[in-house]
Amino acid sequence: GESVGLHLPTLSVQEGDNSIINCAYSNSASDYFIWYKQESGKGPQFIIDIRSNMDKRQGQRVTVLLNKTVKHLSLQIAATQPGDSAVYFCAEITFSGSARQLTFGSGTQLTVLP
Amino acid sequence: EAQVTQNPRYLITVTGKKLTVTCSQNMNHEYMSWYRQDPGLGLRQIYYSMNVEVTDKGDVPEGYKVSRKEKRNFPLILESPSPNQTSLYFCASSLSEQGGLNGYTFGSGTRLTVV
Repeated sequence: GESVGLHLPTLSVQEGDNSIINCAYSNSASDYFIWYKQESGKGPQFIIDIRSNMDKRQGQRVTVLLNKTVKHLSLQIAATQPGDSAVYFCAEITFSGSARQLTFGSGTQLTVLP
Repeated sequence: EAQVTQNPRYLITVTGKKLTVTCSQNMNHEYMSWYRQDPGLGLRQIYYSMNVEVTDKGDVPEGYKVSRKEKRNFPLILESPSPNQTSLYFCASSLSEQGGLNGYTFGSGTRLTVV
């Protein structure tokens, strides 16, 4: 079946370093990808999205890269801060006529070390 | 403040006792959805609604019901809860099915325990 997964369940980085969180997907027909951040005790919070016809999109301190050839999505966080510690999810959306499928990955726990 | 509000935040109930988790959004969003989050399984969609009186099953709809009588509210109903429905539940909304300009806005979650 189709799936969205993450290579690593946990990631620890030093404060100030850049973080890269990866996500592999298997549905080549996915139209839209979203990265969410979930802090402890809170709901997922939108970070950035990218459409399937794009390779790269930048936000504030974050960049999402989409490599459709290898079905790989990554989230890069520049100058990681303690407040970035959270679980990060990728999600893919596939549209087919009036139907849609939204699939989330299981998440990566990012820990920022002092 | 634009937000999605879920109630209650925490609920412990017994098997078979009907319960409703409410969800309300103040952003005039058309699309609303319910998810459950379980360790190792991520977020799985239960039901979604594309607009008033339009609802459809997600990936794990068994044991749940929803209604969308008005745009702002999308309650999740468990007619006869069972222990395997113990989970963390999230309601989400978006301007359109595609997630709008800022993706989906999630509520703060409802931690449900069925004993």
